Amino acid sequence: QVQLVESGGGVVQPGRSLRLSCAASGFIFSNYAIHWVRQAPGKGLDWVAVISFDGSNTYYGDSVKGRFTISRDNSKNTLYVQMNSLRAEDTAVYYCARSLDTAALDIWGQGTMVTVSS
Amino acid sequence: QSALTQPASVSGSPGQSITISCTGTSSDVGAYNYVSWYQHHPGKAPKLMIYEVSTRPSGVSHRFSGSKSGNTASLTVSGLQAEDEADYYCSSFTSSSPLYVFGTGTKVTVL
Repeated sequence: QVQLVESGGGVVQPGRSLRLSCAASGFIFSNYAIHWVRQAPGKGLDWVAVISFDGSNTYYGDSVKGRFTISRDNSKNTLYVQMNSLRAEDTAVYYCARSLDTAALDIWGQGTMVTVSS
Repeated sequence: QSALTQPASVSGSPGQSITISCTGTSSDVGAYNYVSWYQHHPGKAPKLMIYEVSTRPSGVSHRFSGSKSGNTASLTVSGLQAEDEADYYCSSFTSSSPLYVFGTGTKVTVL
């Protein structure tokens, strides 16, 4: 079936780096833009980044710009986000989500937890 | 670009109707018909309920409907059921940075 599965979360110290992955199956991955969205404990959804279907265009939320890099490998049906210079406020569940042409996110993964703590 | 503004909580009895507002600006909600609504039960993946202001994805109950007037979008849930108790978020494409923005979220309680 159509699904996205995130991995790579864990506990990391402030200032360190972490890379998350999102494996897609059940659909033609290379046809869709994909987003990362996060939710900090007790907070609302926060948009992180999006990458176009072919990887040629990327956009970021203001709080992660310059620190996070979104990328994809269409040959592996996998999305990534490289997170550098991590801060306590980056602690959150990170979701990947498939985007329709109108930026509606119709398929979501179950999320992976990232905790930034010393 | 700030988050879109939603009421923190809305409640209703089973069978009643509730409406959640989502207020943005002329750079997001007011600029495009690209408003979406998501239902989020804690610990689960968010679920798309409405897109392009008023379109229901396949499989979403007809009890959910969306609309927009100016810079404010709305989600109406009619015939409220216990399973509708969840957090709801609106979102919109924007004309500036960031490219995409979520609402502050509304907790719906079924009394």
